[in-house]
Amino acid sequence: QVQLVQSGAEVKKPGASVKVSCKASGYTFTSYDINWVRQATGQGLEWMGWMNPNSGNTGYAQKFQGRVTMTRNTSISTAYMELSSLRSEDTAVYYCARGREGEIDYWGQGTLVTVSS
Amino acid sequence: DIQMTQSPSSLSASVGDRVTITCQASQDISNYLNWYQQKPGKAPKLLIYDASNLETGVPSRFSGSGSGTDFTFTISSLQPEDIATYYCQQYDNPLLTFGGGTKVEIK
Repeated sequence: QVQLVQSGAEVKKPGASVKVSCKASGYTFTSYDINWVRQATGQGLEWMGWMNPNSGNTGYAQKFQGRVTMTRNTSISTAYMELSSLRSEDTAVYYCARGREGEIDYWGQGTLVTVSS
Repeated sequence: DIQMTQSPSSLSASVGDRVTITCQASQDISNYLNWYQQKPGKAPKLLIYDASNLETGVPSRFSGSGSGTDFTFTISSLQPEDIATYYCQQYDNPLLTFGGGTKVEIK
């Protein structure tokens, strides 16, 4: 069965960076895009960007351009999302999610990133 | 960027009621519109894709319609397990945008 398993919760100070991993299993990792979506407590879903694991091509929401980097290691079927220059407003649950055409069909369990001094 | 306006932001209905949620795109998105259900503490779940296609395993009381800029999501007979927040999402290759969400509660 398709699974996306994310790394554990993180606590970071303002100005630091965080890197979240997402290990895929149950399907061919390079055949589907990986999206990253975040959700602050009590708020809605916010799409951050996508990556094609086969080519490594990426596309980022304008809000995050310059601060987010999405990469992958195909040998271990793992995608990564790194967000830099963290501020308190970046405190949220971060999800990786598999893209199927224009929809998202599988989601990771989420990783809570807390930014606090 | 394409904006998605979802309404209402919350609603309260009785078990068995028909529930309708709307989503409006800021420009024509054809049928590139999906609907998700999210329960507290859980990841979202895909219910409807390409405006009107029911995802495998999703109960038939859920349905979607629309094209262009105006879309509708319907629960034909609200069940207690349908309590959740529902989101629309558009796809403007390769960018995605979510609506603000609709919280559905039982009256």
